[in-house]
Amino acid sequence: AQSVTQPDIHITVSEGASLELRCNYSYGATPYLFWYVQSPGQGLQLLLKYFSGDTLVQGIKGFEAEFKRSQSSFNLRKPSVHWSDAAEYFCAVGAQGTYKYIFGTGTRLKVLA
Amino acid sequence: DAGVTQSPTHLIKTRGQQVTLRCSPKSGHDTVSWYQQALGQGPQFIFQYYEEEERQRGNFPDRFSGHQFPNYSSELNVNALLLGDSALYLCASSLAPGSRDGYTFGSGTRLTVV
Repeated sequence: AQSVTQPDIHITVSEGASLELRCNYSYGATPYLFWYVQSPGQGLQLLLKYFSGDTLVQGIKGFEAEFKRSQSSFNLRKPSVHWSDAAEYFCAVGAQGTYKYIFGTGTRLKVLA
Repeated sequence: DAGVTQSPTHLIKTRGQQVTLRCSPKSGHDTVSWYQQALGQGPQFIFQYYEEEERQRGNFPDRFSGHQFPNYSSELNVNALLLGDSALYLCASSLAPGSRDGYTFGSGTRLTVV
């Protein structure tokens, strides 16, 4: 069955510290992978995407993610977190030939001043 | 450049009633998808519309129906509302179905069923 797992429901980091949010997927086809961010009461904003090529992808707001096929993972990283990064982060997977994205349950990030 | 716009932003309905939510896609986009996001959960795919036809549907009952208009805007209709239908309903648009470029999401309609 197709699924996306985000093992960490909540993560707290200090401002300026590095961040890694985990995402594992189960998908039969070659996946399209995405990270979205959602601020309270808002819709989702696309941070970055991967569908082929270089397995390390750069996104907006200083985020990057690495696709590891052998581990079925697509973890999101940021070297130095800012207080404005506090939000909920969702990993999603899609594929050629299918129109829906499957989302994980999200990781809520709290940033300490 | 206008992004995806949804209306209304908030809505309160009574069990058994019917509701219509509206979405205008981002300029240049012709495909609209609808997602339901329950509190504390990730978005769940309801269906996608392209060329005024439903192209794919998620695991939602027939009470959920939709429509796409020639200008690419879309409506989501939910009949016989249940308390469990309370959620944030997100509309997403893209250049084409199954776009690998990702979808652009609106801010959503918060539906509360009492």
